[in-house]
Amino acid sequence: QVQLVESGGGLVKPGGSLRLSCVVSGFTFSEHYMSWIRQAPGKGLEWIAYISSSAKTTRYADSVNGRSSISRDTAANSVYLEMDSLRADDTAVYYCARHDFGGNGRFDYWGQGTLVTVSS
Amino acid sequence: DIQMTQSPSSLSASVGDRVTVTCQASQDIGDSLNWYQQKPGKAPKLLIYDAAILDTGVPSRFSGSGSGSHFTFTISSLQPEDFATYFCQQHDDVPFTFGPGTKVDV
Repeated sequence: QVQLVESGGGLVKPGGSLRLSCVVSGFTFSEHYMSWIRQAPGKGLEWIAYISSSAKTTRYADSVNGRSSISRDTAANSVYLEMDSLRADDTAVYYCARHDFGGNGRFDYWGQGTLVTVSS
Repeated sequence: DIQMTQSPSSLSASVGDRVTVTCQASQDIGDSLNWYQQKPGKAPKLLIYDAAILDTGVPSRFSGSGSGSHFTFTISSLQPEDFATYFCQQHDDVPFTFGPGTKVDV
């Protein structure tokens, strides 16, 4: 069955950096776009980045653009999110999600999320 | 960016009730509208895509309608497992944006 498992969250100081990982299984990873979506505690959902199936195209939300990088490794069946210059408002549960077809924004499978807390 | 609004922000209902949530986009998004269900501590689950199409395995008591900028999500007969928060999301343009959610509780 399809599984997405995130890791890499934790406590980070303001101004620090992090690298989140999402390992997937149960489907042909190279055929799907992948996104990162976050949810601040008690708040709504915010899409923050996607990467195309070929890795040739990436897009970012303004809130993270310029300080984030999404990447993927087909051999490792993994997608990554690197963020620096972290701020308190980056505190959230970060989910990786699969696009069901092409670059459309239909997220049909999600991981369980990894919590990032930015605090001194 | 396309802004998404939902109403109500929360509602109280009982098992067997018909529940309706509305979602409005700040511009015409055609039928590029998804609905998700999220339970506490869990990831969202896709229920409906392209405004009205049920995802695989989703019970038929869930339905969606609308196009352009006004959309409706309905649970025809609320079941105990349906108490959750529901989000709409547009996928017409990047950045993909979500509504603020509607919490359905007892």
